[in-house]
Amino acid sequence: AQTVTQSQPEMSVQEAETVTLSCTYDTSESNYYLFWYKQPPSRQMILVIRQEAYKQQNATENRFSVNFQKAAKSFSLKISDSQLGDTAMYFCAFMTPLLEGAQKLVFGQGTRLTINP
Amino acid sequence: ETGVTQTPRHLVMGMTNKKSLKCEQHLGHNAMYWYKQSAKKPLELMFVYNFKEQTENNSVPSRFSPECPNSSHLFLHLHTLQPEDSALYLCASSRRTGTGGEKLFFGSGTQLSVL
Repeated sequence: AQTVTQSQPEMSVQEAETVTLSCTYDTSESNYYLFWYKQPPSRQMILVIRQEAYKQQNATENRFSVNFQKAAKSFSLKISDSQLGDTAMYFCAFMTPLLEGAQKLVFGQGTRLTINP
Repeated sequence: ETGVTQTPRHLVMGMTNKKSLKCEQHLGHNAMYWYKQSAKKPLELMFVYNFKEQTENNSVPSRFSPECPNSSHLFLHLHTLQPEDSALYLCASSRRTGTGGEKLFFGSGTQLSVL
């Protein structure tokens, strides 16, 4: 079974700093996808970034980028120039396709990130 | 807004009550999901529906009964719940695809308290 581990329960940085959230996972599959989701106090899970395992190039989305190390099964998220609105719970997630086209997301425990003014 | 709407936002119920959670998606997706988010635990997948057919039941107790009348609506019927069932229940949807990797779009959840 797949497992996802986020070893940092909480992190706190000053506005405009760069912060990196760590994530490791365990799987025997070769074809899979990795995600970072953000959950602000509004509770809505918002997709931050997505990475296909077969792509060696690290995904980027504006201030958000990942460091994907497939052999090490590591998938960290870097937030550059952090903003107050980045304050949220961040979840790393592993996805495998289910039969008939649905998806199964397995989540880590989450990291609570606070951006201080 | 992600296009996935959940009602109610908050629900308090006694252990003998019967209530239902509702989820509606306006994205034209074919797969819908129920997740449970408890304090200090990772999100747990409960049920998956694909084209109205249940394709995954993750060993969920029978006091939780899902219903998917069409691809846009998903319900979770609750009866004789226990206090440990108190949690945030999240609904999500995604496109059907044979290749995988489709994004899940989540609603804002229903915060359930069982007294």
